Amino acid sequence: ETGVTQTPRHLVMGMTNKKSLKCEQHLGHNAMYWYKQSAKKPLELMFVYNFKEQTENNSVPSRFSPECPNSSHLFLHLHTLQPEDSALYLCASSPRTGGSSYNEQFFGPGTRLTVL
Amino acid sequence: GENVEQHPSTLSVQEGDSAVIKCTYSDSASNYFPWYKQELGKRPQLIIDIRSNVGEKKDQRIAVTLNKTAKHFSLHITETQPEDSAVYFCAASMPRDNYGQNFVFGPGTRLSVLP
Repeated sequence: ETGVTQTPRHLVMGMTNKKSLKCEQHLGHNAMYWYKQSAKKPLELMFVYNFKEQTENNSVPSRFSPECPNSSHLFLHLHTLQPEDSALYLCASSPRTGGSSYNEQFFGPGTRLTVL
Repeated sequence: GENVEQHPSTLSVQEGDSAVIKCTYSDSASNYFPWYKQELGKRPQLIIDIRSNVGEKKDQRIAVTLNKTAKHFSLHITETQPEDSAVYFCAASMPRDNYGQNFVFGPGTRLSVLP
């Protein structure tokens, strides 16, 4: 286990539903990330949080809303999704804080999302 | 922004042969280049990485080379084994002061090692 957990592991939702994905890391890291993985774009960065502050939003539609209440937890709130949003959503964390250091990203197992 | 290309998209080799995967990046400010391996149904995991101040790094059967001038880096796997079969992703990263770290991944290479 890498110390990064995600729930649920599988989720099926309709386009009018509201659901949330949860990520938790037990590694004492300060940076957390959401990625979308699909056949079209294998690993697409969505959001980056550093010390609970959002530092990157890669032009993600507003129907995806991240929340980072503390350095150990990251949520992705979903509402009015489209079928093309079906994908594997991966969370990752790293000990990166500031400065010019380099740090490995540890990935969670992902949530397989299907939008009907 | 950074753009990472990766070739080939699929690669089949016989067990015991070598495999080479190549990536190019566009932003000369990128200075950290990790390689991730993702087995079927599993999460990506780091297998090797290289910083921009190093030209080559080796860890047992895997090695990575970096050419900063040409902005390309490569993964080399020698004496391939069936358990090396997976999708391999390269990435380029540029740490930013106070802003954490942003990774741009290549599209991946599906490696199949045939027994």
